[in-house]
Amino acid sequence: EAGVAQSPRYKIIEKRQSVAFWCNPISGHATLYWYQQILGQGPKLLIQFQNNGVVDDSQLPKDRFSAERLKGVDSTLKIQPAKLEDSAVYLCASSWGQGLTNTEAFFGQGTRLTVV
Amino acid sequence: GDSVTQMEGPVTLSEEAFLTINCTYTATGYPSLFWYVQYPGEGLQLLLKATKADDKGSNKGFEATYRKETTSFHLEKGSVQVSDSAVYFCALSDSGSARQLTFGSGTQLTVLP
Repeated sequence: EAGVAQSPRYKIIEKRQSVAFWCNPISGHATLYWYQQILGQGPKLLIQFQNNGVVDDSQLPKDRFSAERLKGVDSTLKIQPAKLEDSAVYLCASSWGQGLTNTEAFFGQGTRLTVV
Repeated sequence: GDSVTQMEGPVTLSEEAFLTINCTYTATGYPSLFWYVQYPGEGLQLLLKATKADDKGSNKGFEATYRKETTSFHLEKGSVQVSDSAVYFCALSDSGSARQLTFGSGTQLTVLP
């Protein structure tokens, strides 16, 4: 089966510019996650969707980050305006859904963002 | 909140050496525990998992046992290969319905021929 698709793979922008990342999860996966992975650290959850609803966005810096999953399939994460400290790899992951035991999250290759 | 503390790297070993990467966790309830691996230029892949105390996860020669008494999930492999060179992440998933992953900081492993 096809994996989690993300684009672009790499992006370089100047601070205060805006940027958007796209994610297409594995077909049929109800749950979608966005993680931020700063160099040398483990991934940190930004937002979790169940279908088209937000389950948890407590770690999302809402003054500059936004995410949507309008039709419950693919998702977009946006940063506006970007700061230097937003330089990181943005990972998208998907899984079958909540409340299921042993549900595994599958990760995309990520988008590496550099803010200069 | 939940947290994962992972052995700091980088770790450099010779081929066929024994590998241990330590991982301890703090969590309420009964989390599931995971090891993910990230090969150069690739996404995170699940290596193994354990969902309850005393469970042993295993895959590709790697093993880890869920020790509730010591809140640990150490990764071991008896004989590493050059192809095992990667970054290894310990993670836990909360026992509630959200099932989010909390990751450790990762350990870079380099295996020399």
